Order: sequence, then C-alpha cells, then structure tokens
Amino acid sequence: EVQLGESGGGLVQPGGSLRLSCAASGFTFSSYAMIWVRQAPGNGLEWVSAISGDASSTYYADSVKGRFTISRDNSKNTLYLQMNSLRAEDTAVYFCAKGLEQADSNYVQKNWGQGTLVTVSS
Amino acid sequence: DIQMTQSPSTLSASIGDRVTITCRASQSIRRWLAWYQQKAGKVPKLLIYKASSLESGVPSRFSGSGSGTEFTLTISSLQPDDFATYYCQQYISGLTFGGGTKVEIK
Repeated sequence: EVQLGESGGGLVQPGGSLRLSCAASGFTFSSYAMIWVRQAPGNGLEWVSAISGDASSTYYADSVKGRFTISRDNSKNTLYLQMNSLRAEDTAVYFCAKGLEQADSNYVQKNWGQGTLVTVSS
Repeated sequence: DIQMTQSPSTLSASIGDRVTITCRASQSIRRWLAWYQQKAGKVPKLLIYKASSLESGVPSRFSGSGSGTEFTLTISSLQPDDFATYYCQQYISGLTFGGGTKVEIK
C-alpha cells in the first residue's frame, strides 16, 4: 500500500524558512515523479513543484520560483521542499503526491499524503 | 502560463441527475488534462487523466471528454458520495489547476 507522510510544517515569520519532508513507502520511490501541491485555507488547489524520479528534472510554479527548492533522496525514500523567503500568501496545507505510472502522464497526482500546515505570520 | 477556467463554480443537483462540469484552457493542451475530486476535509482523489482515461477503481458513472481547449467531466447519475468539489488540471506545461466546481445538494 502506498503511504505518503508529510512533516516539517509549522508557524514561521515572514521572510523565514522551512523544510518540508515527505516520507514514502509501499512503492519503488525512485521510479516515480513526485509533486507538491498546496491549498490555502478555504481555497482551491495550487501546484507548487514537481521532480522526476531520478531528480534530473525539476519544475516550479511561478509563485514560488527562486524561493522554493524541491529535492529527493531516493536512498531514504524521502521528498523535500525547502521554502525560503516565506510570505503570508504561502500559508497553506502542503500535500506531497506520487505521480502516475504512465510515462506520458507521470506528473498526474495519483496518491496523496494527508498534508502539513504551513503558517506564515508575525 | 496556461490558465484553466472551470464553470460553474457551484452546481446544485439532485440524486440521479446528470451533471456536467466544463473546464477551459487558455491555449491548447491537446488531451493533457486530469480531473480530481475533493471532499470536505479530505485529500484530493484522481478521477480521470489524459482527458478521458478513468483511473482504476473510479466508478463508471464518471467520464471525461474533450481536447484542445474545452473539456467536460460528466457524472451520469449523481450519487450521495459524489457531493464534493471537482478540479481540472492541465499538465502539458507545468501543472495548473482550475478554480474548482462545488457540487451541492439541491
């Protein structure tokens, strides 16, 4: 059974940093693209970042480009999101997700973690 | 950047109704579109990818169609478990979600 568990969320001041982690199990982690999606309270879904299985390709939404860095450690089955220069508008629940198996749709989010809340406030 | 626009934003329907949600892309995304369902307080669930491919385990009353810039998600006969918010997402260039369509009980 695929399991994804996010951690690292919390309260941070504007301009601060946080690193989110997503521990994965139940599948061959290195074979799948992984994705971060966030959802501000009461709002819709917003894609944040994605990374290929071998970490050779990374992608970012314009809203986080230059501030957030996605990475993965395939030896630890763990996905990361380093978030710097945080702003109030980054406040959201952050979900990690596993991509589909199909090569032409491998960034579509098939399995989701429960999310971790990031609050940016002074 | 590709923008995704869903309509309506809210839809009131009754059990057994046929429900259609529309998603429009600001430029052609061919068939690189997915649909998700999110119930209140729950994580999203993948329903459809590549515009019309039904994800394993998803009931056959859900179907997707379209290509280019216009897409639809259809629920052929609305069930109590289907009251939720539905999101489309393009994945031809980065990933972009639509604003969501909340399906409510009439």
